Amino acid sequence: ETGVTQTPRHLVMGMTNKKSLKCEQHLGHNAMYWYKQSAKKPLELMFVYNFKEQTENNSVPSRFSPECPNSSHLFLHLHTLQPEDSALYLCASSERGLSGNTIYFGEGSWLTVV
Amino acid sequence: DAKTTQPTSMDCAEGRAANLPCNHSTISGNEYVYWYRQIHSQGPQYIIHGLKNNETNEMASLIITEDRKSSTLILPHATLRDTAVYYCIVRVEDGGGATNKLIFGTGTLLAVQP
Repeated sequence: ETGVTQTPRHLVMGMTNKKSLKCEQHLGHNAMYWYKQSAKKPLELMFVYNFKEQTENNSVPSRFSPECPNSSHLFLHLHTLQPEDSALYLCASSERGLSGNTIYFGEGSWLTVV
Repeated sequence: DAKTTQPTSMDCAEGRAANLPCNHSTISGNEYVYWYRQIHSQGPQYIIHGLKNNETNEMASLIITEDRKSSTLILPHATLRDTAVYYCIVRVEDGGGATNKLIFGTGTLLAVQP
């Protein structure tokens, strides 16, 4: 148990579907992150939120839409995805979104786009 | 952040110490060495980090050479559950307002053998 909970753990969706990934952290942190891990590739940072404000968007396509309603919850809204978007999506949190804070990860959501 | 070099894979006998090396010859004075591991199909797990002194916690020990150009993560008594990909990451912690990031490489696959 890492204190960062992601749901669902597995998701299969069609290219025309709209779905969302949810992340909740119970660590009292103020920064949250989305990372993507494609098969046989290193983890890639997608988005960073610090005190509910987006501070980093790593050139992510607009078919991925993040939402951070408060410091404990983070969503990733998915629409019109492509098969190459199939990957493990990881949520993480840290005390703050500034350098110097240890980042803790959730277990991830496996996404398959068909 | 400085680049790190790790062996692609290593084997270790169960119950023996696992010593995972990492080279970071271009490390700067304000860069910390972090270690994470990722067990198959799970999110990365924070292990330990340090600047220049050796560090120990309940999971592992981190030995950093005096010139800081390399480090070794030591798992004192490896078990089968320690089989994972281990990532050595160097990053700045200057608190100067930079976004908190972890740049993952390909890591070392440690296989603990019974």
